[in-house]
Amino acid sequence: KQEVTQIPAALSVPEGENLVLNCSFTDSAIYNLQWFRQDPGKGLTSLLLIQSSQREQTSGRLNASLDKSSGRSTLYIAASQPGDSATYLCAGNQFYFGTGTSLTVIP
Amino acid sequence: ETGVTQTPRHLVMGMTNKKSLKCEQHLGHNAMYWYKQSAKKPLELMFVYSLEERVENNSVPSRFSPECPNSSHLFLHLHTLQPEDSALYLCASSQAPGQNTLLYTFGSGTRLTVV
Repeated sequence: KQEVTQIPAALSVPEGENLVLNCSFTDSAIYNLQWFRQDPGKGLTSLLLIQSSQREQTSGRLNASLDKSSGRSTLYIAASQPGDSATYLCAGNQFYFGTGTSLTVIP
Repeated sequence: ETGVTQTPRHLVMGMTNKKSLKCEQHLGHNAMYWYKQSAKKPLELMFVYSLEERVENNSVPSRFSPECPNSSHLFLHLHTLQPEDSALYLCASSQAPGQNTLLYTFGSGTRLTVV
């Protein structure tokens, strides 16, 4: 059974820092990966999608990469802002979700 | 608004009640999903409908009954629920599973409390 681990579970950083969130899968056969953010009590907002033919995607201050050989993905957030505070979830092969990393950016 | 609308936003029901959750999308997607999100647990896929046919039923108890009358609407009928069914129920839509350009759009969820 595919299991997804997100490290760290929680992270608190001062505004302006660059940070990396990690996501790993017990079965490395990941052919697509999506990163989401979830604000408290809300649904998930899609951030980036890495499709089967890709290795990374960038959107603004966000960059996500996927290493298919190891089944690991990272989400890089540059110059963090208080508005980035949320829970970030990864999902592999559409249906396998992690439990998320709760990010707090301190002004 | 994301394009996927869920109602109601909050629901409190007794264990003997019958209620329904509703999800609606007008994004032109042809697949819709129900997920359950409990505290400290990963999202659990409950049901998948693709082109209005159920293609996934992930060992969900029969007290949850989905209905997809058309590609824009999805319901989750609830009856005789248990307190452990209390959770955030999320609806999502995408192009049909298996297509390379799939991209989820989620609704804001229904917060369900069973008393």
